[in-house]
Amino acid sequence: NAGVMQNPRHLVRRRGQEARLRCSPMKGHSHVYWYRQLPEEGLKFMVYLQKENIIDESGMPKERFSAEFPKEGPSILRIQQVVRGDSAAYFCASSPSAGDTEAFFGQGTRLTVV
Amino acid sequence: LAKTTQPISMDSYEGQEVNITCSHNNIATNDYITWYQQFPSQGPRFIIQGYKTKVTNEVASLFIPADRKSSTLSLPRVSLSDTAVYYCLVRNYSGAGSYQLTFGKGTKLSVIP
Repeated sequence: NAGVMQNPRHLVRRRGQEARLRCSPMKGHSHVYWYRQLPEEGLKFMVYLQKENIIDESGMPKERFSAEFPKEGPSILRIQQVVRGDSAAYFCASSPSAGDTEAFFGQGTRLTVV
Repeated sequence: LAKTTQPISMDSYEGQEVNITCSHNNIATNDYITWYQQFPSQGPRFIIQGYKTKVTNEVASLFIPADRKSSTLSLPRVSLSDTAVYYCLVRNYSGAGSYQLTFGKGTKLSVIP
């Protein structure tokens, strides 16, 4: 059973471009969480999704950021018109049920905005 | 939201037992306490979870007193490979059936040879 797969592992974007981060949850998991981690800091919750639904996006910046988890395919975190401050590691986690504190994390996508 | 407080950093020599204490004064009645480990450039990894008293697995032990306002992660005989950041979490209910896993800054454990 493959773990949570994130791609790409590293992503470099110029200011103003779009970044698309992908997350394939573990097989059988229908709950996905996205987190952002700045260097030397803890993980900050961004958004919680179930298949085709955004359940909680209270941690998402109001502009330029969006997330989806379609019926088929991976969950996508999209950042439009990236700025230098968006440079961070973005982690995706999945769990089989809501409120399950044993979530499984991917290796993360390290976004660098130049 | 249930908030956790833990030491920012700890140092330990190889072979020693390490205890990391976390306080969570406003933990909800039905919340579990969970600990994660994160190595540099990797995603966090679940270590252990408990509700009360003591839980032990092949990696660690978790001690939770009766009032559940704190918990202690115990790592027996640490090795250099245990150098990592350890996060204490409680589940946060944010409404409408939604739960968040809220990570604090964690405790950076450095194991010294």
